[in-house]
Amino acid sequence: GIQVEQSPPDLILQEGANSTLRCNFSDSVNNLQWFHQNPWGQLINLFYIPSGTKQNGRLSATTVATERYSLLYISSSQTTDSGVYFCAVDPTGANSKLTFGKGITLSVRP
Amino acid sequence: SAVISQKPSRDICQRGTSLTIQCQVDSQVTMMFWYRQQPGQSLTLIATANQGSEATYESGFVIDKFPISRPNLTFSTLTVSNMSPEDSSIYLCSVAARGKAEAFFGQGTRLTVV
Repeated sequence: GIQVEQSPPDLILQEGANSTLRCNFSDSVNNLQWFHQNPWGQLINLFYIPSGTKQNGRLSATTVATERYSLLYISSSQTTDSGVYFCAVDPTGANSKLTFGKGITLSVRP
Repeated sequence: SAVISQKPSRDICQRGTSLTIQCQVDSQVTMMFWYRQQPGQSLTLIATANQGSEATYESGFVIDKFPISRPNLTFSTLTVSNMSPEDSSIYLCSVAARGKAEAFFGQGTRLTVV
């Protein structure tokens, strides 16, 4: 099956700093999503981005499908950004059945 | 996006017992899935809940352990049977709306087996 690798595994930032989270995948995909898991375990949709670039406030994401990677940018980080960030892909795009990376644990310190 | 209600949000259960988790969506959806997240780990797909027919299980998961029902396009249940401490996990329901590829998740059920 498809492999999804996220890096770095852990990231510690000072409040106000910027960061880039990376997701590499081993095969072509038709669906790629970024999620933020809060301390209560809930998965929050950040981006649905099989290709191209999107922005939502302080967050933006870019997927280069031909090179099989996606980047999530967090600018002016806040303590509420802390949590685990997951990249998930669906190779087929036919049924939203996702394969998840191991996640990136982000800690933003005041 | 669909509103997904998952119940219970958390539970503590005795080993050997079973727990049924419910997932209710406020609109008809084509696809419904159940995932497991073991402590400190990523999410793993358990099965696809098929409306009106048997669920499709992923490798390593079996119907006797994780029976799933989906009687209609807005509701599904996952039962964790004959529980052991190794079943302690977060269980999440996921849906995709008709004609859409983006998946959304319920708030999860945090299960602890003692």
